Amino acid sequence: EVQLVESGGGLVQPGRSLKLSCAASGFTFSDYYMAWVRQAPTKGLEWVASISYDGGSTYYRDSVKGRFTISRDNAKSSLYLQMDSLRSEDTATYYCTTIGNYGWFAYWGQGTLVTVSS
Amino acid sequence: IQMTQSPSLLSASVGDRVTLSCKAGQNINNYLAWYQQKLGEAPKLLIYNANSLQTGIPSRFSGSGSGTDYTLTISSLQPEDVATYFCQQYNSWTTFGSGTKLEIK
Repeated sequence: EVQLVESGGGLVQPGRSLKLSCAASGFTFSDYYMAWVRQAPTKGLEWVASISYDGGSTYYRDSVKGRFTISRDNAKSSLYLQMDSLRSEDTATYYCTTIGNYGWFAYWGQGTLVTVSS
Repeated sequence: IQMTQSPSLLSASVGDRVTLSCKAGQNINNYLAWYQQKLGEAPKLLIYNANSLQTGIPSRFSGSGSGTDYTLTISSLQPEDVATYFCQQYNSWTTFGSGTKLEIK
């Protein structure tokens, strides 16, 4: 059974940093592109960042470029999101997801809530 | 690419045939997925490539469409289908629609 378990969320002040982790199991992690998708409270879904099988290629939405860094450790079957210079508009539940062959998000974790507030 | 879902709220009776709409701002070549999100849960993939049913999803769910206009159909609405449904295009980067909230009348 595919499992994705996020951790690392919490309350953080604007301008500070936070690192999210996602532990994967039940599938061959290195066979999948991975992504982070977020959802602000009572809002819709928003893709944040994606990473290739070996981590050699990364992609970001414009609003987080230069502030967020996606990475992975295939030996540990883990995905990460380093978030720096956090803003109030980054407040959301962050989901770890697998990416299907052409770009759909096949499996999702339960999410971790990040609240950016003073 | 802008994705517009309609209606934003839909109320239907158990057993009804329900149709949800998703319109893209440009041709997305069937690169469209549908997700179901129940209250307090993560989204779940229902349909990918516009009409391919994800493994384990009940056959009452189906997807159709082409070009800019796509539809998710539930052939016979069940109580457990109460949720918000999102569409997603992945033809050019990726964007989601704003969702359709489905309620039981």
